[in-house]
Amino acid sequence: AQSVTQLDSQVPVFEEAPVELRCNYSSSVSVYLFWYVQYPNQGLQLLLKYLSGSTLVKGINGFEAEFNKSQTSFHLRKPSVHISDTAEYFCAVTRSGGSYIPTFGRGTSLIVHP
Amino acid sequence: KAGVTQTPRYLIKTRGQQVTLSCSPISGHRSVSWYQQTPGQGLQFLFEYFSETQRNKGNFPGRFSGRQFSNSRSEMNVSTLELGDSALYLCASSRAEGYTGELFFGEGSRLTVL
Repeated sequence: AQSVTQLDSQVPVFEEAPVELRCNYSSSVSVYLFWYVQYPNQGLQLLLKYLSGSTLVKGINGFEAEFNKSQTSFHLRKPSVHISDTAEYFCAVTRSGGSYIPTFGRGTSLIVHP
Repeated sequence: KAGVTQTPRYLIKTRGQQVTLSCSPISGHRSVSWYQQTPGQGLQFLFEYFSETQRNKGNFPGRFSGRQFSNSRSEMNVSTLELGDSALYLCASSRAEGYTGELFFGEGSRLTVL
């Protein structure tokens, strides 16, 4: 079975500063990786995904993530955050060739201060 | 294309009652999954339905049940409600072909049990 660890439960940052949200996974087989964002009182929305190919993945709203197989990580980055990026961010992993039921991390609350 | 629709958005019940939540997936999506989200436990997988059959099940008691109709719409039911069932219940749909685990979420049904 796979597992996901989001290393920070909360990340405070000032507007226009860069941010990195960390995600590590464990799996004995190949995986697909996802980042989702959840704004208050809403469901989750896909930010970006890694299925195969280039390890640098670009998503919506200026976010990007890099798949690092040797370190089993999939950290999310944004060079300059906005107040509107304040939300909960979830990393998820599915096992390729498996049941495709994602395992989610506990989430990281990104708080952007003016 | 309409997104995933969940009804009702908010509801309040008392202990011992039962509740039924409804989910209409994106047109053409045949898989519907249900998740429970709480501050303490994060996102927990309840079950997944595909072509009217429960294909995967999480680790929840039998009080939690679901079904899927021929038009892919799904319902979940919780009987004999407990205070701990208070949560945001999220429905997500996905395509069947080339499925990688990417999910499309509804806005959720927030259940409060008094």
